[in-house]
Amino acid sequence: TAGITQAPTSQILAAGRSMTLRCTQDMRHNAMYWYRQDLGLGLRLIHYSNTAGTTGKGEVPDGYSVSRANTDDFPLTLASAVPSQTSVYFCASRDPLGEQFFGPGTRLTVL
Amino acid sequence: SQKIEQNSEALNIQEGKTATLTCNYTNYSPAYLQWYRQDPGRGPVFLLLIRENEKEKRKERLKVTFDTTLKQSLFHITASQPADSATYLCALQYMDSSYKLIFGSGTRLLVRP
Repeated sequence: TAGITQAPTSQILAAGRSMTLRCTQDMRHNAMYWYRQDLGLGLRLIHYSNTAGTTGKGEVPDGYSVSRANTDDFPLTLASAVPSQTSVYFCASRDPLGEQFFGPGTRLTVL
Repeated sequence: SQKIEQNSEALNIQEGKTATLTCNYTNYSPAYLQWYRQDPGRGPVFLLLIRENEKEKRKERLKVTFDTTLKQSLFHITASQPADSATYLCALQYMDSSYKLIFGSGTRLLVRP
C-alpha cells in the first residue's frame, strides 16, 4: 500500500500567490495532521482533523486553512503565501493505537 | 507551554556500541511518549510507543524507558550499525481532543563503521 502520498514534492512560489498542498491516505485512518518542519524547531502542528467533516487548529495555524471532505484527502491551502512559510510540510495520519504515519513531505520555497 | 529538550549536538559512536539518546520535558507528563526515526529528505517513521504507566519497552535492538518523576525518556540502540545513522525524534502525546504529537527537535546519531 502507498500509505500517505503528498504532492507536489517541491514548489517555488511567489509571495502573495495561493497554493494547495495535497495529501491522500489509503489506510482509512480517521485522524490526519499537517506539520511544518523548520531547522532547529522540529515539527510543529498546523491543523488537524479527527474525522471527515471536522478540523481543528494546531500550534501554528495562521495563514493556513484545511478541509476534510472525505476520509482519504486532507488538503492544506496557503491563501496568500509569505516568505516565512518557506518550510518542509508533512502530512500524517494516526492509527487507533496512536502511531502516526507520515508522507514524504513537500518542500516549499516562498520568494 | 510544554517544552521538549533533545540534545541538539550529534551523537557520534562506534559500530557495535550502545547509543543512548535523551528526551526531557517540562510540565505535566503525557499519556504516551513516542520515538520516531527520520532520514534526510524523508518523513518520520514510527519506532516505539510507551505509556505513562510503563517503565520500559523493547523492540529488537531498541529499548525505551519512561520516568515520569524525572520527566525523561531514554532511547537505546544496542549493537549499533552504520544503518542506524539518522535523526531520532521524541514526541509527547496527550489525551486531548486532537491526540496531537508535540515533537522535540531531534538528535542526530552517527554510527561509525
